[in-house]
Order: sequence, then C-alpha cells, then structure tokens
Amino acid sequence: NAGVTQTPKFRVLKTGQSMTLLCAQDMNHEYMYWYRQDPGMGLRLIHYSVGEGTTAKGEVPDGYNVSRLKKQNFLLGLESAAPSQTSVYFCASSFTSGRTQYFGPGTRLLVL
Amino acid sequence: GENVEQHPSTLSVQEGDSAVIKCTYSDSASNYFPWYKQELGKRPQLIIDIRSNVGEKKDQRIAVTLNKTAKHFSLHITETQPEDSAVYFCAALGRSYNFNKFYFGSGTKLNVKP
Repeated sequence: NAGVTQTPKFRVLKTGQSMTLLCAQDMNHEYMYWYRQDPGMGLRLIHYSVGEGTTAKGEVPDGYNVSRLKKQNFLLGLESAAPSQTSVYFCASSFTSGRTQYFGPGTRLLVL
Repeated sequence: GENVEQHPSTLSVQEGDSAVIKCTYSDSASNYFPWYKQELGKRPQLIIDIRSNVGEKKDQRIAVTLNKTAKHFSLHITETQPEDSAVYFCAALGRSYNFNKFYFGSGTKLNVKP
C-alpha cells in the first residue's frame, strides 16, 4: 500500500515549456487535490476532483489544467510554464471532502 | 469563504519546554480542524484533529483546544523534543460553493533547541 505517490520529484523547466505532474493513489479515494506550497503562504488549492471524470477549480487555477481519467490518477498540467509557477506541488486524496487528506511526497518545480 | 490566520510564524523553544501555536478562523460554520506536521523536505502529515462538538483533544504530548465562540483553536506540545522541530499547519474545513474544502494557515516553523 503505497498511499499517494507523485512523479517527478524534481524538475527544472524553461519559461514557456510544458509538463505534466502525475499523482497516483491506491486507497480508492474519491477526492483528489493539487496544492502548491510557497514560502510563508501555506498550501493553496489549485484544482480538485470529486470523482473519476470530474475536475473543478480551486483558489489559484490560472496557468494549470488537470484531468482525472482514472479514479486512481490525477494529472496536473502546465501548458506554458512561467517563473511564478516555481513552487512545491503536493497532491492529496481523501475519502470524502470532509475527511482527512493524505498527501504525496511533493514535486519541486523550478521555472527559469 | 473561510480565512485562517496562524501565529506565530516562527517559534523557538528549549527542549522540554511547551510550545503553543494559535489559529483563528472566520467562518462560524467550519466544523473540523486538523493540524499537520511537515518536516523539512517531507509531506504534511496529520498529527491531531478536532471537531466542533468537543473543546479539547489530547494525544500523548500533543493537545488541541477549540473555542468556537472566539473562533480560534490552538496546538499545544508539551515536553518538546528536537524531533518536534518542523513546520506545523492548521486548517479549517469550510464551505466554498457546494464543496467542503480545507483552508490552511500559513504555517509555524518550530525549532526545539537541545
């Protein structure tokens, strides 16, 4: 039982490049989330999903897209990376929206 | 929507002393308040939580108190140890449109000096 996993762990991009972050969970959770963590700002919700095939915007969705084609996977895409997207990205999952969230190990992204 | 404020942003204590971290929230409808510990370079992990139907919850050296009237909740760590050094986040479960979402505080960096 791996819990929540994320790939890659670290990535460097040039401005304008694109990439996809992958999140996978093996706990059969319905809800999945993408957060970004910046110094002094806590965790901010980018997008979330309440089930397979669904996605919705969080607090800071601009510049990101997501997809949930399979229940266990939640993908975060950056179509044209900007330096302001330099951050640590955490994926999380939960059984329902009001239950404990389990976090992945994080992806550190540096956009030059 | 909900707004969660956390204080202090940094806290330094001597090993064996107690540490207290406070959070305030704005939405009186919020009813679930978890605390997460994040060690350097690691993922946030739940350490304790409290629901609005109780005023205090304790788990060994960690306790959380909730004052619904004043809309604040606190994390108390007694007999601190160097391994308690980490960033601690509070959160409140609030309502945003038709979805329950967690609103996180900005974090407290706790340094326990041996």
